[in-house]
Order: sequence, then C-alpha cells, then structure tokens
Amino acid sequence: DTAVSQTPKYLVTQMGNDKSIKCEQNLGHDTMYWYKQDSKKFLKIMFSYNNKELIINETVPNRFSPKSPDKAHLNLHINSLELGDSAVYFCASSGGREVRYEQYFGPGTRLTVT
Amino acid sequence: QQQVKQSPQSLIVQKGGIPIINCAYENTAFDYFPWYQQFPGKGPALLIAIRPDVSEKKEGRFTISFNKSAKQFSLHIMDSQPGDSATYFCAAKAGGGTSYGKLTFGQGTILTVHP
Repeated sequence: DTAVSQTPKYLVTQMGNDKSIKCEQNLGHDTMYWYKQDSKKFLKIMFSYNNKELIINETVPNRFSPKSPDKAHLNLHINSLELGDSAVYFCASSGGREVRYEQYFGPGTRLTVT
Repeated sequence: QQQVKQSPQSLIVQKGGIPIINCAYENTAFDYFPWYQQFPGKGPALLIAIRPDVSEKKEGRFTISFNKSAKQFSLHIMDSQPGDSATYFCAAKAGGGTSYGKLTFGQGTILTVHP
C-alpha cells in the first residue's frame, strides 16, 4: 500500500508555464508538507498544512501556492516557472497515532524547467 | 541558529565496517532528531530517531549516539552491507510534542559500502 503518493513523478516544462504537483497520503495523518531538494541534494521545507490550515510558510516565492482540499491531500501549484525551480519536490506527512511527529516522505516529483 | 551541520560529505567503507556520520546543531529548542536514508530516485525514508532525553538508541544495525551538552549526535551502522549504500540525512525538529514542526536537515552524507 502506498503511504504518501505524488503525481507526476517527472515533469518537464518550459519557462513561464504553470504546473501543479499533487500529493495524497493514506496514513490518516493531519499534517502535510512540501520539501524541495536541490541539485546538491539539500532538503528544505517550503510549506506545511495542519488540518487544512497553513502553519509553515518559509521564504518561498509567491509563485508557489499550496492548496489543501482536505487532510489527505496537499497540492503545489507553481506559476511562471523559472529555470531555478528545477529540483525534486517531496511531499511528506505526519501525525500518526503512535508518534505524531514522525514524517513520512513521498517518492518525489522531479521538475525540470527548460 | 536553525542549521544542522553534517559530516562527512561522503564516506567509503568496506563491507562489515562501521561507518559513522556526525551532526551538530545550535538551536537548543530542537527536541527530536531523526535520520533518513535516501536511495537514488526515491524519497527519504525514516531510519531511526532519538529524543534528547536519551544518550543512545539502537534499532537493528543502526545506532544513534546523542550528546546533549555538546549538541552533537551521530549515526553508526554496524556490519555495513553494500545494500546500505545510500545518502543519509540527519535532521532536527523543534515544536514540542505537536504533530507538526519543520525538519531542518543536514547536508547529507553519501555512503558507499564496497563488497
């Protein structure tokens, strides 16, 4: 069973386009996150939602807009894509019954902007 | 103050060796320290984690040692295997016992275990 899933796995697009990445978790968690992993593999948080409410918003350009329609889904929409947006984007979730702060990551979406 | 510094950047050991990866932090509000393992093309997978009220935690071949006064923690992999070859990340979280709180990651260590 897939715990945290993301679509698409690969996304190749041109500068200036708008794209979305979707994330779903079936763990029953109440908190979801978006992380960005750059070409040097450094992982940095972008956003976090708890019970559909935005609770963490790092210094991310406002071209990036997360949206959480319900506790199990967190989507990331990116407007006016730039070359520097090329990275791997990971969704994660936490809030399990046993250890509420353990974060579980999805498989990632590799975004390439040309 | 939010940084977590990880070393070394890369590590090569022979099968059966004991690689050690070190991390240091400054923020005393950090209260949860997980390690993640990432294989190429995959997402980070939670390996083992520790709270600052214990000095050591062991799960299988993986051990975390934690030194609260020095604000350092390390991952030891006993009897390393070629299948352990991956990138390892330490991380730290502040935020008490809530279900949310951003993870601040170290820079990662690429481990290669030769047969």
